[in-house]
Amino acid sequence: SAVISQKPSRDICQRGTSLTIQCQVDSQVTMMFWYRQQPGQSLTLIATANQGSEATYESGFVIDKFPISRPNLTFSTLTVSNMSPEDSSIYLCSVENGELFFGEGSRLTVL
Amino acid sequence: EDQVTQSPEALRLQEGESSSLNCSYTVSGLRGLFWYRQDPGKGPEFLFTLYSAGEEKEKERLKATLTKKESFLHITAPKPEDSATYLCAARDAGGTSYGKLTFGQGTILTVHP
Repeated sequence: SAVISQKPSRDICQRGTSLTIQCQVDSQVTMMFWYRQQPGQSLTLIATANQGSEATYESGFVIDKFPISRPNLTFSTLTVSNMSPEDSSIYLCSVENGELFFGEGSRLTVL
Repeated sequence: EDQVTQSPEALRLQEGESSSLNCSYTVSGLRGLFWYRQDPGKGPEFLFTLYSAGEEKEKERLKATLTKKESFLHITAPKPEDSATYLCAARDAGGTSYGKLTFGQGTILTVHP
């Protein structure tokens, strides 16, 4: 397994601002991903965070809205830009380390 | 398009009352059927991965099985601490991202003492 730490665990943000979520893993992993869990809904993959290159985004998600960094094999960030109330969700970092493991999530509320 | 449907949406059991959760999937070339447990305010906790029809895996009071169209999570003699949302997810073989799982909506399990 892998120990995945996310910061912040929760935050309340104002409309139009941006917030960066950090994900730290306790071991080097090749593959890291970012998921979103909207209220009352299931998990949806936002993008694959590629080390040393641009992230690969899923349909419906764009780099301008969700810029991602992956400077090394243990760390990634997801920024939620120009937030609106519709961005209120839990954002989850996940890693493939034999299986697919998830962090505790970052719960964002946008007012 | 891949689809994963879980039933029931919610299940209430008495402690010791065994039951099963269902996960039906429509996936082009299944490359793994996953079960997770999610507690309120927490991220999903990995339980099992099943790869082929007929495969079974067990962990404590939980047993997951897989057919060509669905998976079951059997809970034997549940305890209140088994109360959680159970998520089912599928990965297809269609060349999509390795990390892309299609998740069901989850089954909220409540076990009363």
